[in-house]
Amino acid sequence: SQQGEEDPQALSIQEGENATMNCSYKTSINNLQWYRQNSGRGLVHLILIRSNEREKHSGRLRVTLDTSKKSSSLLITASRAADTASYFCATDGNQFYFGTGTSLTVIP
Amino acid sequence: DTAVSQTPKYLVTQMGNDKSIKCEQNLGHDTMYWYKQDSKKFLKIMFSYNNKELIINETVPNRFSPKSPDKAHLNLHINSLELGDSAVYFCASSLGQSSYNSPLHFGNGTRLTVT
Repeated sequence: SQQGEEDPQALSIQEGENATMNCSYKTSINNLQWYRQNSGRGLVHLILIRSNEREKHSGRLRVTLDTSKKSSSLLITASRAADTASYFCATDGNQFYFGTGTSLTVIP
Repeated sequence: DTAVSQTPKYLVTQMGNDKSIKCEQNLGHDTMYWYKQDSKKFLKIMFSYNNKELIINETVPNRFSPKSPDKAHLNLHINSLELGDSAVYFCASSLGQSSYNSPLHFGNGTRLTVT
């Protein structure tokens, strides 16, 4: 399928550490997006990276894209307890395809 | 102001009943979606509406019927509810049909429990 698949499924770190999550996909894309979902809430868009871009930054977020490997990574630097959430990548097409997410827990 | 709002937040009902979930967006977007999130957090698209026309239907049983009275509203009606319909349903909207144009904006979900 075209959906993104996040790895790891779960990640637990101490506050202040960096968190890295990976996403793999199977078909060609125009762009890849990362979303965050807090418990009991809808998904919130974090960052979009286009297929001709290799790296993008937004605040404490850094996203990389390797189209040859069909993979992307999301790095959250200097994590905070408020970063505790599930993180999803979404690949495009005529619609948005999501995976099952990485559940991140940041321990204060 | 809530950009994408859906009601109700929780819905508990018995098998065989018919229920509806409502969604409204005030972002001026022209495309709206319904997603189903299962217990493993897998998020699967069900429907997409662009300018009141259905453009995607991802092998969803015909017990599910989306209705869009105008481009700011996309409601989901479910007939003859089954246990397997229990999930969280999310409404979302975007500007344009393709994700190239804009990201999705999600509502906070409706947790449906069928007993």
